[in-house]
Amino acid sequence: QQQVKQSPQSLIVQKGGISIINCAYENTAFDYFPWYQQFPGKGPALLIAIRPDVSEKKEGRFTISFNKSAKQFSLHIMDSQPGDSATYFCAASLAGGGNKLTFGTGTQLKVEL
Amino acid sequence: NAGVTQTPKFQVLKTGQSMTLQCAQDMNHNSMYWYRQDPGMGLRLIYYSASEGTTDKGEVPNGYNVSRLNKREFSLRLESAAPSQTSVYFCASSFLETLGNEQFFGPGTRLTVL
Repeated sequence: QQQVKQSPQSLIVQKGGISIINCAYENTAFDYFPWYQQFPGKGPALLIAIRPDVSEKKEGRFTISFNKSAKQFSLHIMDSQPGDSATYFCAASLAGGGNKLTFGTGTQLKVEL
Repeated sequence: NAGVTQTPKFQVLKTGQSMTLQCAQDMNHNSMYWYRQDPGMGLRLIYYSASEGTTDKGEVPNGYNVSRLNKREFSLRLESAAPSQTSVYFCASSFLETLGNEQFFGPGTRLTVL
């Protein structure tokens, strides 16, 4: 049973466009929502994260939007660049559950020239 | 600083063989984790170690054992490998095992079990 559902599985965006990846969760005890970026042959690396007490967090071209009532959160990549081509994973951690991460299934993003 | 290192990078095993995946971190982190990554499944936690001397099961521990050798090193052992254990294995570490501590990942070990 996938506790964090991620879509789409793959995404192609033109250079300069906006990339949007969505995640949904069921467990309202999740209290920390990071996004990880993974390049081929590498391990994932933290990109940006949010706690449920805010609805949006922005770091450069990357923004997390969080909708607590809908139990959904999304990653927006503005002005997408070819260098953003990677696999993106959303994740969640339970309050009181330490630092264990439950990951989504991943989105393979390709940014074309 | 090398961060999180994993050995080997690639390994091919026959069904029933055993092996140990090694992981080390030089960031003075207290917590370490082992994940497996499979297509369409994301990353799933196998075992973790909140601090030196402790280990706990994650989501998919069956068929694996771990050893927290010291603060720097956390190994994952497959006693009798099965084709279902074909995967990419990632080790990660964080300063603490509390919510929101960034996890730093190693480069992975690609394991094939024939």
